[in-house]
Amino acid sequence: QKEVEQNSGPLSVPEGAIASLNCTYSDRGSQSFFWYRQYSGKSPELIMSIYSNGDKEDGRFTAQLNKASQYVSLLIRDSQPSDSATYLCAVRDDKIIFGKGTRLHILP
Amino acid sequence: SAVISQKPSRDICQRGTSLTIQCQVDSQVTMMFWYRQQPGQSLTLIATANQGSEATYESGFVIDKFPISRPNLTFSTLTVSNMSPEDSSIYLCSAEDGANTEAFFGQGTRLTVV
Repeated sequence: QKEVEQNSGPLSVPEGAIASLNCTYSDRGSQSFFWYRQYSGKSPELIMSIYSNGDKEDGRFTAQLNKASQYVSLLIRDSQPSDSATYLCAVRDDKIIFGKGTRLHILP
Repeated sequence: SAVISQKPSRDICQRGTSLTIQCQVDSQVTMMFWYRQQPGQSLTLIATANQGSEATYESGFVIDKFPISRPNLTFSTLTVSNMSPEDSSIYLCSAEDGANTEAFFGQGTRLTVV
């Protein structure tokens, strides 16, 4: 059974600080990794994809991938109250498998 | 990225009835999928909608309960049949355009069965 594990949270972070979200996955053959943001009552929205080891930056977001450790993370710099949402880690092998998500709460 | 329109956005249905959810993509896509998301839970893949052939269902989901159509590369439907309160959930359509690409989602259908 292929699994994607995330801490469910809630993770509370002060406004302006760095939020760090973590994810581990079980299938060593996974090739593509994604972070989705989901606001309450809304559908998931893709915010980052990463395919190779290392860091990938896009604005305030940085995705980090370590395939040897089977670990993916998402850093959000200068956290804003609008970043409060559930963040879903997703991993693709032959299909995309989603983690249960981490609830992030940015404290004003 | 593809724009995916899903309807209805929400519905309240009587038990024992069926509801068909429609998903329209604004461009041709390789893959279309149907997910279920129960309150406070993550997304569970129901099936892959295959163009021109029967859908591929995940463990725990069967065609008699969740018949799926995909007549072309931009459109799919999911029917939730003989509904019970346990089917109350959000149903999401997603599309991918090729291997190793990301998935995009419709806005979802919030179904309540009473």
